[in-house]
Amino acid sequence: GQSLEQPSEVTAVEGAIVQINCTYQTSGFYGLSWYQQHDGGAPTFLSYNGLDGLEETGRFSSFLSRSDSYGYLLLQELQMKDSASYFCAVRALSNDYKLSFGAGTTVTVRA
Amino acid sequence: KAGVTQTPRYLIKTRGQQVTLSCSPISGHRSVSWYQQTPGQGLQFLFEYFSETQRNKGNFPGRFSGRQFSNSRSEMNVSTLELGDSALYLCASSILTDRGIGELFFGEGSRLTVL
Repeated sequence: GQSLEQPSEVTAVEGAIVQINCTYQTSGFYGLSWYQQHDGGAPTFLSYNGLDGLEETGRFSSFLSRSDSYGYLLLQELQMKDSASYFCAVRALSNDYKLSFGAGTTVTVRA
Repeated sequence: KAGVTQTPRYLIKTRGQQVTLSCSPISGHRSVSWYQQTPGQGLQFLFEYFSETQRNKGNFPGRFSGRQFSNSRSEMNVSTLELGDSALYLCASSILTDRGIGELFFGEGSRLTVL
C-alpha cells in the first residue's frame, strides 16, 4: 500500500502565497497530480509532475522531488475563488497502479 | 465537448436495498474510474476500467461491483446497502491507454444517502 500526507487546513488572505505540501510513501512511483474541488463540485485537474522540478500553470505551480518523496502545490496571488479543497494523488507500482488520493487540504481565503 | 455525466445526481435508499449508478465518459475516453468520497476520508478508489476490462479494484467489499460497456459507459452497483455507504460517488474518465497518471475528468457525482 501507500500513504499520502498533506495538511488538513490552510487559511490565508487575498493576495498571499500558500504552499500545500504532500509527502508520500511508495515504491515504483509513477507521478504526482493535484486536483481542486470546490464545495459541492467535481474535482478538477490542476497539474501533474512525472519528473523532478517545477511545473508552472498561471498562478499555480507544482513541484516534485522523487528522491525526497515530496511535492507541493504553490498558490500565488490568492483570490477568494481559490477557497477550495486541494488533493494530491499518486499512482505507483506498490499499490498496483491504483490511483491514491490524499485526504485533502481545505484552503480558506480571507478578505 | 460534453463532460462526464453521472446519473442520478441524488438518491435516497434504505438499508438492504441495492443501487446502480451510471457514468457516461467524455467522448473518446476509454478509461473510467470510480471513487467514493466521504467527509474526512477523501477520495477512495473503487474500480478502474479500460475497454470493458476491470484493470484494478480498490479495497471495498464484494457488495460493490461495476462494469463497462462497449461504448465506454460504466455502471457501478452496490448491493445490500449499509448506512456507511452514504457518500458521494464520483466517476472520472481519461484518454490514457496506459497506467500513467495524467489528467482525470470528473463528473459531478451521485450523492447516495442510505437511511
